[in-house]
Amino acid sequence: DVKVTQSSRYLVKRTGEKVFLECVQDMDHENMFWYRQDPGLGLRLIYFSYDVKMKEKGDIPEGYSVSREKKERFSLILESASTNQTSMYLCASSGSGRESGYTFGSGTRLTVV
Amino acid sequence: DQQVKQNSPSLSVQEGRISILNCDYTNSMFDYFLWYKKYPAEGPTFLISISSIKDKNEDGRFTVFLNKSAKHLSLHIVPSQPGDSAVYFCAASLSGSARQLTFGSGTQLTVLP
Repeated sequence: DVKVTQSSRYLVKRTGEKVFLECVQDMDHENMFWYRQDPGLGLRLIYFSYDVKMKEKGDIPEGYSVSREKKERFSLILESASTNQTSMYLCASSGSGRESGYTFGSGTRLTVV
Repeated sequence: DQQVKQNSPSLSVQEGRISILNCDYTNSMFDYFLWYKKYPAEGPTFLISISSIKDKNEDGRFTVFLNKSAKHLSLHIVPSQPGDSAVYFCAASLSGSARQLTFGSGTQLTVLP
């Protein structure tokens, strides 16, 4: 069964901390994405990557960075966590065909206090 | 400015009846559309898709209708079941892009027994 695995289901961090969210996929997908989900706002794209060491800004990249050193792993980094980054974070991957859409991980609920 | 809009945050339907979820888009360059379903504490899962060359696609109890002139799509679930209770997101991708999806804000469907 194909999978996108996010390392943590729940995280609580303090304001100002550096936070790492890890995502691993086992489908050999080229494309990987980080979204955040907030009530009333749906899924908003933070960053995405088409290939190893490549990254592109999404709609809301401020306060975030990413790293993709290996094809299967895509990390989201909150350089200095703030309370407005409290959210559900979703990682996804996709192959080259549009019909397959995205495969999502189960999400990480991050609370910044 | 949201390019994909789901104007109904919630919908309640009686078991066995039809559920109709609506989605509007503004970018005429979108040519592939998808619906995802999301349960609490899980990632979204792909449900059904439609290309802009079609106006209807059916998969079991789920049918998606596309009206390009109105820039509107809808998801019909017949008959609705309590297990269909979830948040439904519509998503769209741009012509020529196999990668990036733009999501709506979601509609919480509740199917009452």
